[in-house]
Amino acid sequence: DAGVIQSPRHEVTEMGQEVTLRCKPISGHNSLFWYRQTMMRGLELLIYFNNNVPIDDSGMPEDRFSAKMPNASFSTLKIQPSEPRDSAVYFCASSLAINQPQHFGDGTRLSIL
Amino acid sequence: AQTVTQSQPEMSVQEAETVTLSCTYDTSESDYYLFWYKQPPSRQMILVIRQEAYKQQNATENRFSVNFQKAAKSFSLKISDSQLGDAAMYFCAHMDSNYQLIWGAGTKLIIKP
Repeated sequence: DAGVIQSPRHEVTEMGQEVTLRCKPISGHNSLFWYRQTMMRGLELLIYFNNNVPIDDSGMPEDRFSAKMPNASFSTLKIQPSEPRDSAVYFCASSLAINQPQHFGDGTRLSIL
Repeated sequence: AQTVTQSQPEMSVQEAETVTLSCTYDTSESDYYLFWYKQPPSRQMILVIRQEAYKQQNATENRFSVNFQKAAKSFSLKISDSQLGDAAMYFCAHMDSNYQLIWGAGTKLIIKP
């Protein structure tokens, strides 16, 4: 079975540019989560969706961050404009239901120069 | 605020021996889930094991088992017959009443050949 698929795996861009991270959850999973991981702050939940509806976006750091889930098989996390402090590994995870184990993608390593 | 504490930043074990990683958490809920995830250098987050708080029996997955002490709010992970492929960061997580994962800071496990 295919796991959670994230793209790109690595992204390097200059500050001020728009960055779009993509995620395809496991088929049949109803919940999708976006995390950010840094050495300083560990794993932080940014936002999560249930049945394509955003449930809690209180972890989104600023208005520069936005996330969408237009259908059950695709989600994006967008940063516009990007800043060097946004550099981190961004993970997408999905679960069969909101209270079930989360399965993670391989992450996107984002570097903002 | 609910917290998860992993008091061992780093642990090392000889190959084929047994190691126990500690985790304590704080919650006022009576029913909840606990998880151990593994993150090898490839940076994937891999679910190792799950425990449901209402189940008294400790969860086991092959060489991985937990010692769940609900009253003490302790959830340690035991790895038997350690293998080189077990080297990774191990994260303990507690699922709160909003179904969000509260993460520990992680324990780096080193396997000595």
